Amino acid sequence: EAQVTQNPRYLITVTGKKLTVTCSQNMNHEYMSWYRQDPGLGLRQIYYSMNVEVTDKGDVPEGYKVSRKEKRNFPLILESPSPNQTSLYFCASSFELASYNEQFFGPGTRLTVL
Amino acid sequence: DAKTTQPPSMDCAEGRAANLPCNHSTISGNEYVYWYRQIHSQGPQYIIHGLKNNETNEMASLIITEDRKSSTLILPHATLRDTAVYYCIGLYNNNDMRFGAGTRLTVKP
Repeated sequence: EAQVTQNPRYLITVTGKKLTVTCSQNMNHEYMSWYRQDPGLGLRQIYYSMNVEVTDKGDVPEGYKVSRKEKRNFPLILESPSPNQTSLYFCASSFELASYNEQFFGPGTRLTVL
Repeated sequence: DAKTTQPPSMDCAEGRAANLPCNHSTISGNEYVYWYRQIHSQGPQYIIHGLKNNETNEMASLIITEDRKSSTLILPHATLRDTAVYYCIGLYNNNDMRFGAGTRLTVKP
């Protein structure tokens, strides 16, 4: 089944404790991205990747890192999480950047930073 | 990316057609109109997209006005599982994706 998977689905952590949220897709998609969703603010893009070893900042990259060493994986790294990073996170992928390709979203990771 | 305007909420009776409007008067000629939906904090789900012509797939139909300033998403036979927030987005490329508040559709028995 074609899908985007994220792990963990739920995480409660404390300020400053490094964490990684994994994202994997099995559709051989070139384009992958991370979003966060907060009440009243919609989805905001954190980082995106157009292909292996090619990543760039989205609208709200501060406090996050990403890597794209393999085509299928695009982990989101929070080196020193803070409470304002408490949010619902979504990973997404599409065949390529172009607008005629729909994006496939993962199930979401609900992160709470205490 | 095009600014879109959608009603905040709509109700629909189960089994009836749900018609969700979207205004995108600033859309440019090369921006696609996309519809996604989000069911209760799950990942957004792609529904349909179009550029100029009307489109239909197994989920829905998309009617785009000739001047491309507005569109309507039609769910022909709404079910309770179609209750969700529906987002209309004007896209030049996938980095332009901006989910606004959308329309909260409630399908009632």
